[in-house]
This record gives sequence, C-alpha cells and structure tokens, in this order.
Amino acid sequence: DVVMTQTPLTLPVTLGQPASISCRSSQSLVHRDGNTYLSWLHQRPGQPPRLLIYKISNRFSGVPDRFSGSGAGTDFTLKISRVEAEDVGVYYCMQATQLTWTFGQGTRVEIK
Amino acid sequence: QVQLVQSGAEVKKPGASVKLSCKASGYTFTSYYMHWVRQAPGQGLEWMGMIYPNGGSTSYAQKLQGRVTMTRDTSTSTIYMELSSLRSEDTALYYCVRDNSAFDVWGQGTMVIVSS
Repeated sequence: DVVMTQTPLTLPVTLGQPASISCRSSQSLVHRDGNTYLSWLHQRPGQPPRLLIYKISNRFSGVPDRFSGSGAGTDFTLKISRVEAEDVGVYYCMQATQLTWTFGQGTRVEIK
Repeated sequence: QVQLVQSGAEVKKPGASVKLSCKASGYTFTSYYMHWVRQAPGQGLEWMGMIYPNGGSTSYAQKLQGRVTMTRDTSTSTIYMELSSLRSEDTALYYCVRDNSAFDVWGQGTMVIVSS
C-alpha cells in the first residue's frame, strides 16, 4: 500500500499568519490516466471530514481561497495564507491513485 | 441537495456481526463509487473498501478481507457494510463517502462499539 507521511503532526499557528503542511507518499501518485489523485481533507472536532482540495490543487466548492495545494509526484503541500479561528482541527492528505486508498496520519492545527 | 444518511449507533459483543446502512439522495446513485472509512476514537482515518453501485463490484482493504462485505440496493439508493467477527479494535466511527474523483460527500457517521 502507498504510505502517506504528513509533517508536522501538530502545528501551532497564530491567527492571521500563514501555515503549511507537508505530505509525502511512498511512491508516485501519478495515475495511468495522467491525473494525480491527491486530496486534502479537514476535520473539525465532532464532525465528519470535509473535502478541501482535490487533484493536488483544485479547491472544492465553497472552500475559501486562503487554502491552496501544490506539489507533484511524491511531495505535496497544503498552505493556508492567513489562518482563521475556524481553521483549527485535523488535516489529512489522502491518495486515490492506487486501487487502495490511504490517508496521512493527520496534522492537528491549533491556535497559539 | 446531495446527502448521505447513515443508520444509528450499534453496540455489539465480540464475535458478533454488524450491518450498517447509508442512504444516498440528491444525485444519481449508480454513477459514483462509494466507500466506507472508519475512525477509531482519537485516531486517524482508515479506508475499508469500496462498492460501485452500478453492478455492485467491490474492493476491500486487505486487512479486512474475509470479514467485510459491502452491498447495495439500487431500489432504495442504499449501500450496506457488514463487518463480522467483531473485536474491540473495531470500535470506531464508520463513515460512508461518495467518490467523485475525491471524497466529496460524507455521511454523518455511525458509531459502533464492540464490548463484552
């Protein structure tokens, strides 16, 4: 299975400041169809995860433009340009390129 | 609106089986793969398997092979996940998820507690 490794696992942030989460896969996520099915999810306490970013850099409907995704191959990054209070929670990267779907361990974002 | 509504919480004894449901609405049920993902208390997300409602083909996580069965009922736009030989490690929140090239719609989750 593809192993997804996120860093850091905990990210203390200051409101209004940028934040960045890294996700590395154990093998290339480029699908045979040419797409890279790397997504980012956000989970607030007591809620199901919600989709933020799909196919590396596409913001899902309703996601604020302060969220952006980038990367290629095996290295990917989620950036928040200016952290807001509602951004706390756990962020997961996930891959859907191989015929098993795997998630990163999660990065907990908390306000300093 | 697109919605996935899951069945209610379950409490089971070790060795028993549980069957969860997830009813889809607001879109063409047979057009999207559906997945089950679980989350043990305080832990991360674990993919369990998927089903394609159009035809019923399935694929399961290797660690659950032999214990998990996913089915669907197209007449009610509902998918099911049955997990057998339950053990304490199966205590978790179970989510059904729609796959639209990404996990774009999540059910509210069903808590399963396995305890003697």
